[in-house]
Amino acid sequence: SQTIHQWPATLVQPVGSPLSLECTVEGTSNPNLYWYRQAAGRGLQLLFYSVGIGQISSEVPQNLSASRPQDRQFILSSKKLLLSDSGFYLCAWGTGLTGNTIYFGEGSWLTVV
Amino acid sequence: DAKTTQPNSMESNEEEPVHLPCNHSTISGTDYIHWYRQLPSQGPEYVIHGLTSNVNNRMASLAIAEDRKSSTLILHRATLRDAAVYYCILSVYNAGNMLTFGGGTRLMVKP
Repeated sequence: SQTIHQWPATLVQPVGSPLSLECTVEGTSNPNLYWYRQAAGRGLQLLFYSVGIGQISSEVPQNLSASRPQDRQFILSSKKLLLSDSGFYLCAWGTGLTGNTIYFGEGSWLTVV
Repeated sequence: DAKTTQPNSMESNEEEPVHLPCNHSTISGTDYIHWYRQLPSQGPEYVIHGLTSNVNNRMASLAIAEDRKSSTLILHRATLRDAAVYYCILSVYNAGNMLTFGGGTRLMVKP
């Protein structure tokens, strides 16, 4: 069966510091991968998606970036965090087929101080 | 993006059925209807999805109107663990097949 893991689960970072969140999927190949963010008390916002290695599409302009160095690895990064980057970050995967169901990881809580 | 409309919140009594409505009047012929739920401090969890016909699984049932402009998620017997935000989403076929989440319905279950 397929599983998705992301880490770290929680982190507190100062403003201006870098960020790296990592996500891996097991039990499937060539998945679509997604990064979502949920600010406190808000809905889920799609940040990035990837349909293959090295292929990244951004949904919103921001100081975050994403990379997909391997088929089942998706990384969210920032060179300099802002206070507004605080939130709950969720990695997800899907088959990419019609009617695509996506499955979420456990999430990473980021607090920028 | 095709949009959905859901009530902000609903209340239910434990062990009673719950009918969560969703309107999607701009749905196109190839859009699937997905339902997810999110418990506090957790990522969204897939509940059910369908295209035209009603669907049943171990978690819930999905009733889709004949014109597909609305659907209803049915929890047959609500438990306290069903208290969550329920999202109705249209899976629009596009380059990334991403799902765009709206505000959802916050379901409160009373003992």
